[in-house]
Amino acid sequence: KAGVTQTPRYLIKTRGQQVTLSCSPISGHRSVSWYQQTPGQGLQFLFEYFSETQRNKGNFPGRFSGRQFSNSRSEMNVSTLELGDSALYLCASSSGGQGADGYTFGSGTRLTVV
Amino acid sequence: SQKIEQNSEALNIQEGKTATLTCNYTNYSPAYLQWYRQDPGRGPVFLLLIRENEKEKRKERLKVTFDTTLKQSLFHITASQPADSATYLCALDWAGGYNKLIFGAGTRLAVHP
Repeated sequence: KAGVTQTPRYLIKTRGQQVTLSCSPISGHRSVSWYQQTPGQGLQFLFEYFSETQRNKGNFPGRFSGRQFSNSRSEMNVSTLELGDSALYLCASSSGGQGADGYTFGSGTRLTVV
Repeated sequence: SQKIEQNSEALNIQEGKTATLTCNYTNYSPAYLQWYRQDPGRGPVFLLLIRENEKEKRKERLKVTFDTTLKQSLFHITASQPADSATYLCALDWAGGYNKLIFGAGTRLAVHP
């Protein structure tokens, strides 16, 4: 079966701009989580959506937002980009139950802010 | 605050030997712990999940132990191969909500022929 698809793979943006990243989960998976990965901070949780509802949110400023559509596809948006937002953004899908049987991650979107 | 520690130093071993990676945590009582493998430029790949009431889990050449008293998990790769070279991440669930994992920084493993 198809894996988790993230688009685009690479993105270069200028400070102050905004960006939208997309994630298509595995068919049948209703939970989508987003993580930011940087060399200094490692993998950090951004938020999680299940059936179009945000169930959990990490400690990121309000510039980071997301949504999920009825087909479980998810988008995350970062407004007013800062240099420190340069990172690999990863999306993970799961069936959504507590005690998930592992997560399937996409290959990520590499965002560079200049 | 909650903290997860993995060996920050790279682990170098000879092909055929057993690699043992450590994950320690503090100020936390996770319901389950997961191990992932990550290759450069790629997303993490799920390997194993172990629940708080399980002591040990195996999958092919992989073995994970979970000691909730010591607050430690050990991840073993037996008969290691150069293809096992990667960064290995441990992750704990956050009991405060659904599907939020807290990841360790990862340990880079290099298996030499």
